Amino acid sequence: DIQMTQSPSSLSASVGDRVTITCRASQGISTYLAWYQQRPGKVPRLLIYAASTLQSGVPSRFGGSGSGTEFTLTVSSLQPQDVATYYCQEYNSDPLTFGGGTKVELK
Amino acid sequence: EVQLVESGGGLVQPGRSLRLSCAASGFNFEDYAMHWVRQAPGKGLEWVSGISSNSATIDYADSVKGRFTISRDNAKNSLYVQMNSLRVEDTAWYYCIKGRSVVIIDAFDIWGPGTLVTVSP
Repeated sequence: DIQMTQSPSSLSASVGDRVTITCRASQGISTYLAWYQQRPGKVPRLLIYAASTLQSGVPSRFGGSGSGTEFTLTVSSLQPQDVATYYCQEYNSDPLTFGGGTKVELK
Repeated sequence: EVQLVESGGGLVQPGRSLRLSCAASGFNFEDYAMHWVRQAPGKGLEWVSGISSNSATIDYADSVKGRFTISRDNAKNSLYVQMNSLRVEDTAWYYCIKGRSVVIIDAFDIWGPGTLVTVSP
């Protein structure tokens, strides 16, 4: 099974800051990677798939990059509504696996 | 509007069974793989099981293999999971999820609100 490791596990940033979250796969997964956002008390929603393709309706301040084993989710200018836990997920092979999550809070 | 609505959760004793259902609407259900993902209270996400659009491909997480059975009825736009031999560690919110394509190996683009399963003596 592929293991997905996210870092950091939590971070605190100010409104307007650039935020970067990293996801590492235990083996190469090409660009078969998705990012999800789960706001407090809400259901997760798809932000990015194929490592860098923005899902319809997702603000352009969100961006994804990477391939192989290392991936990045970037929020170019953090907004209050971005307070959430972010998860990466590989879909290179089954079982499909998620990273442990990164909790983003406001400073 | 694309919508997924789960039902069937509740409190059950260890060793007992429960069947979850998911009613889909607003999209061509038969054209997409479907999944169950769970989240224990305060914990992360765990993929449980997936089924391809025509039910030809089915897979499970090792943690539920042999105990859970996923199925779908395309005529009724419905997804199911039969959960047997439930354990305390199966306690979680269970989400019904639409995949992005016909195959299991893809991202998840629509999530239901979830149904809570509590396994407790």
